[in-house]
Amino acid sequence: TQLLEQSPQFLSIQEGENLTVYCNSSSVFSSLQWYRQEPGEGPVLLVTVVTGGEVKKLKRLTFQFGDARKDSSLHITAAQPGDTGLYLCAGGANAGNMLTFGGGTRLMVKP
Amino acid sequence: SQTIHQWPATLVQPVGSPLSLECTVEGTSNPNLYWYRQAAGRGLQLLFYSVGIGQISSEVPQNLSASRPQDRQFILSSKKLLLSDSGFYLCAWSTGAGGNTIYFGEGSWLTVV
Repeated sequence: TQLLEQSPQFLSIQEGENLTVYCNSSSVFSSLQWYRQEPGEGPVLLVTVVTGGEVKKLKRLTFQFGDARKDSSLHITAAQPGDTGLYLCAGGANAGNMLTFGGGTRLMVKP
Repeated sequence: SQTIHQWPATLVQPVGSPLSLECTVEGTSNPNLYWYRQAAGRGLQLLFYSVGIGQISSEVPQNLSASRPQDRQFILSSKKLLLSDSGFYLCAWSTGAGGNTIYFGEGSWLTVV
């Protein structure tokens, strides 16, 4: 059984601070997705990474896929209250197989 | 472009009553369809997935069932709801051609009282 562990589970920071969320597994994934979910809404895809060592940037968000494709990180620079939400990582083992979701990181950015 | 819509958005049902949540996808054909449940605003639990009409796979034994009467329609049902069925239910789709990325609907809040 493939497992994805996210850390931290909860994070409360002040506006302007930087933060990093981690997604770790002992299994190799062919792709890794990051989603953000706001209360009462469905998760929204932020990024998909597929190559070991790949780095993708989305404005103030930087996503990295580990060289061995077993882990990923999400770094937010100068967090804003609009970044508040639940961040979920999800890994795919092979094309077409079910995604494995991490437990999520709940981020709160205080103004 | 592809869209996914599920309804109702909010539902309050008494214990023992039936349930029907519906989900439709537009702009794609032969999608993989999924029902997830999310409790306490954290991780997602996969309940059912379908790779085609009439093909349903269940991930966990429970009080719920799913059906796919049409290519882009997925229905989550229960004959008799339990208190433990309360939660946030999410429908999702992915391409049937082997893509891993999943796209979610807006979600349905179910409260069983």
